[in-house]
This record gives sequence, C-alpha cells and structure tokens, in this order.
Amino acid sequence: AQSVTQLGSHVSVSEGALVLLRCNYSSSVPPYLFWYVQYPNQGLQLLLKYTTGATLVKGINGFEAEFKKSETSFHLTKPSAHMSDAAEYFCAVSDETGTASKLTFGTGTRLQVTL
Amino acid sequence: DADVTQTPRNRITKTGKRIMLECSQTKGHDRMYWYRQDPGLGLRLIYYSFDVKDINKGEISDGYSVSRQAQAKFSLSLESAIPNQTALYFCATSDRGAGQETQYFGPGTRLLVL
Repeated sequence: AQSVTQLGSHVSVSEGALVLLRCNYSSSVPPYLFWYVQYPNQGLQLLLKYTTGATLVKGINGFEAEFKKSETSFHLTKPSAHMSDAAEYFCAVSDETGTASKLTFGTGTRLQVTL
Repeated sequence: DADVTQTPRNRITKTGKRIMLECSQTKGHDRMYWYRQDPGLGLRLIYYSFDVKDINKGEISDGYSVSRQAQAKFSLSLESAIPNQTALYFCATSDRGAGQETQYFGPGTRLLVL
C-alpha cells in the first residue's frame, strides 16, 4: 500500500525567499508522484507530476520537484516566493502500475507568504 | 464552463437525513472519484468508478453509497447523515491509459451535518 508523509503542516516564508515543501512516500511499486495546490475555496489544481524519465520535473507558477528514489522523496521547491503562492499544497502517490489509478494524499502543507 | 461540476456547492442538513451530492464532467473521462477532505487529514478516497459498470470502495466507504448513472455523472449519497460526515467533498475524474493518470477536481461541496 502507498503512503505519503508531508513534513510540516504549516510553512511560513518571506516574499522572495525559497520555498521548500517536503514530501516522502512509501510505495511497493514504482510510484507516480504528484503535487496539487488548493487555493482558498477552490478545488485542487495539478502543479506537476512525475511518472517516468527525468527526475527533475517543472510545473506551473515556477515550481519544480525532484524525484529521489534513494531517499523516497519528492520535495517541492520554488526559488522565490510570491504572495500569490499562499495556499495549501498536497503531495500524492498513485498506484498506476496496476489496473487502478487511485491517489493517496498526504495531509497537506499550508504555505503562508509574508511581506 | 468548468469541466467538472459539483452540486450543491454548500449544504446544511440534519442528522438522519438522506442527501445526495452530484458530480458531472464534460471531459469525456472514464474514471471518476469521490473524496472527502478534513482539516489535518488531507483527502481520503470514498468510492471510485472506472466505467459505468464498475464501482469500487475506497478507504472510507462506510456510511456512503454511489451511483454511476452515465459516463459523465457520478453521485454520492449519504443514506443517514451523521455529524462526523461534516466535511468538504470533492469529485475528480481521470482518463485511462499511460500518460493519462492526472486527476481533475471539481470545486467541492461543503457539507454540514447538524
């Protein structure tokens, strides 16, 4: 069974500072990994995903994440935070290698961006 | 127009009442999902359906039922609502096949059970 751990339920950064949101996963099969963002009162929007190939994946709004198999991690980064990045971020893993494509989500990290 | 719509967007009901949450999609996807979101718990899968004739229980299906009326419609029912079913409910869709694993989410239904 898959599982996802997001370290830090709340992260606060200053505008212009580096954003680092941590995600570690457990999977019995080669994982597909996702980061979703949820803005207030909205649904989830895909930021980026890793399936196969290049381990550094780039997403929307300047975010990127690196798949590190040896560390079972998929941390999300952005070089310079913007006020509009304030939202809740969810890491998820999929068991797509079977007939299923169910996502298992982490508990989320709320990002606060201060002036 | 939104690709995944949910109705209602907000609902207040009383303990013991039966309610239905509806989801429709115009993306032409085969797969549909229902999740609930609770603060500090993330999203948890309630039910999922890979086509009209396929229904599967997720992690937390007790107290819920679903109906896949058509490829584009997937409804979630609470037969007898209880207060701990107060949550934010999301419908999602995805296509099948390699490279199609991204799930697309609706805007959510906020449910309060009194």
